[in-house]
Amino acid sequence: LAKTTQPISMDSYEGQEVNITCSHNNIATNDYITWYQQFPSQGPRFIIQGYKTKVTNEVASLFIPADRKSSTLSLPRVSLSDTAVYYCLVGSKAAGNKLTFGGGTRVLVKP
Amino acid sequence: SAVISQKPSRDICQRGTSLTIQCQVDSQVTMMFWYRQQPGQSLTLIATANQGSEATYESGFVIDKFPISRPNLTFSTLTVSNMSPEDSSIYLCSVGGMDTQYFGPGTRLTVL
Repeated sequence: LAKTTQPISMDSYEGQEVNITCSHNNIATNDYITWYQQFPSQGPRFIIQGYKTKVTNEVASLFIPADRKSSTLSLPRVSLSDTAVYYCLVGSKAAGNKLTFGGGTRVLVKP
Repeated sequence: SAVISQKPSRDICQRGTSLTIQCQVDSQVTMMFWYRQQPGQSLTLIATANQGSEATYESGFVIDKFPISRPNLTFSTLTVSNMSPEDSSIYLCSVGGMDTQYFGPGTRLTVL
C-alpha cells in the first residue's frame, strides 16, 4: 500500500474552510484515496473517497490533481464539532479490504 | 451501513492476565478486522478474521499473544494474552470494504 504523508496538526476558526493536503508519491494505478475522521473516544468514520479530479459530498470535497501524487481534503465552513483527527489512506480494492492508517492530521477548530 | 458494538468498553487489568474483547455486528459479514490504537497514535491493523478459517495476522502480531475467534458471521473475539503495560491501548474492530469501513466504539484497555 502507498505510504502517505500529511501535516501533524492544523488550527482553524469556526466558519473557515480547512484544507488538508496528503502526499502519496508512490500511488499505484489501481489505488483509491480515502479519508476518515476520528473523534476522541470513537472509531474512525468514512468521509470521502476518490480516484481522480474532484469528488464532493455533503461533508467534504476531495481534490486530486492529474498526477494523483497528492490529494486535498476540503472541509467548508468548519464548526467546533469538526475538531478531530483526519486520516488519508491510499489502497487498492483488489488488494483486499484492510486499511493502512498513516499518522493523521489533528484539526482543532477554535471559536 | 453496519452497527458494531464492543464489550467491554473499557477495563483495567493486572499484568500477566488476559482479557477477551467481544465484537458484535448487526449484519452478516465475511471479514472482520481488529486494530490497535496506542495512546495518541494512529491505528495499526492486528489481524483479519474470516469466518471458518484462521485469522491472518499482520507483521509484529502473533496468534499466541492475540488469539482471535470467529464463530459466526456476526461475531468475533480478540484476546490480549499475558498482558503487560505496553498493551495499554484502544482495541477496535471493524467491518466493510475498501470503499467504506465501519468501526466499533473501541475497548480502552489499561494494564497496570
